[in-house]
Amino acid sequence: DAGITQSPRHKVTETGTPVTLRCHQTENHRYMYWYRQDPGHGLRLIHYSYGVKDTDKGEVSDGYSVSRSKTEDFLLTLESATSSQTSVYFCAISPNIHEQYFGPGTRLTVT
Amino acid sequence: DAKTTQPPSMDCAEGRAANLPCNHSTISGNEYVYWYRQIHSQGPQYIIHGLKNNETNEMASLIITEDRKSSTLTLPHATLRDTAVYYCTLLGGGSNYKLTFGKGTLLTVNP
Repeated sequence: DAGITQSPRHKVTETGTPVTLRCHQTENHRYMYWYRQDPGHGLRLIHYSYGVKDTDKGEVSDGYSVSRSKTEDFLLTLESATSSQTSVYFCAISPNIHEQYFGPGTRLTVT
Repeated sequence: DAKTTQPPSMDCAEGRAANLPCNHSTISGNEYVYWYRQIHSQGPQYIIHGLKNNETNEMASLIITEDRKSSTLTLPHATLRDTAVYYCTLLGGGSNYKLTFGKGTLLTVNP
């Protein structure tokens, strides 16, 4: 498996609180991604990064921000969590724009 | 607005070849065909991708028709651990980073 970890793996939080999810890689890959996966919506891209400090929005970026200050870490922040952000969040890494390698996921519940 | 169409489910006997079809009749010239799979509760796993030539790796083979409107993923000797949802998706052109999954095909490998 690709050297990619996500933390935490599970989190329950209350509406209105900030939440940060961490993706860490040991592969030194250039590209990193955050996705969410929901029943009925499939997999959707939130934000991605194509290098340190280089990030861009995906298709469902509202309510989310990201930061990448080091090659190995890509942080996803929910500034003020809402119930609609209850989901499974996957981080992925890629050495190029072709194959993406996914982490184990973080299950987030916003109550 | 799914760009790929897959059967919702398929069965395969253990040890036999599993052939999973995908239709992508509106594929554009610079789009690659990608296959991923997702075993229950795990992150998606990259399998293979191709542009117009047939491709093979240690996991599977990909055959893309000459008109590129359809493709078939083959797992040569399916095992019980290959039971998963298989996703066929397109990437390229202006959507280089936007990996999206439709509903996919649930492949069940039976003993």
